[in-house]
Amino acid sequence: KAGVTQTPRYLIKTRGQQVTLSCSPISGHRSVSWYQQTPGQGLQFLFEYFSETQRNKGNFPGRFSGRQFSNSRSEMNVSTLELGDSALYLCASSVQETNTEAFFGQGTRLTVV
Amino acid sequence: AQKVTQAQTEISVVEKEDVTLDCVYETRDTTYYLFWYKQPPSGELVFLIRRNSFDEQNEISGRYSWNFQKSTSSFNFTITASQVVDSAVYFCALWGPDSGAGSYQLTFGKGTKLSVIP
Repeated sequence: KAGVTQTPRYLIKTRGQQVTLSCSPISGHRSVSWYQQTPGQGLQFLFEYFSETQRNKGNFPGRFSGRQFSNSRSEMNVSTLELGDSALYLCASSVQETNTEAFFGQGTRLTVV
Repeated sequence: AQKVTQAQTEISVVEKEDVTLDCVYETRDTTYYLFWYKQPPSGELVFLIRRNSFDEQNEISGRYSWNFQKSTSSFNFTITASQVVDSAVYFCALWGPDSGAGSYQLTFGKGTKLSVIP
């Protein structure tokens, strides 16, 4: 059974640009959640999607957005990138909601220069 | 807002020693879930355990055990007879309602880096 796949694994962008990250959940999983991990702030919840609807959202500015497609694949978009957006972005999938066992991908390492 | 505190930033133990990782949480809700995750150097978070707020029964899984005490808002994790492969960063997390937004989220502690020395 394939795990959670995140693409790309590494990304370098310039300040002011926008970026889209992709997450393919485990087959049969309907919930996808996104997290930002930085040395200073640690792991922070971004948002969760379930059956194409955003169900929960963390405390991030509107520059961070996401969506989920009918096949449960999810994308996360960050517009007007700032240096502070440099982080490891992790995606997790679970059969139901986030309060169940979640399986994480290896993450996308975003560097903003 | 809910909060998770892992006071131990880094711990080093010699192989075969027992080690306990502390986790203290804060939440105003009576219904919540607690988790432990392991993050090895590869970066991928690995699920270890989930416990709901109504189940204070301790759990043992092989060399791992968890002690949940609502009276002290703690959910501690013990590794018995540690091994080098246990070296990783361990995160405690709390799933519950965010204070003002009416939304649920998973709040992580800052993590404890465990180094097991051979």
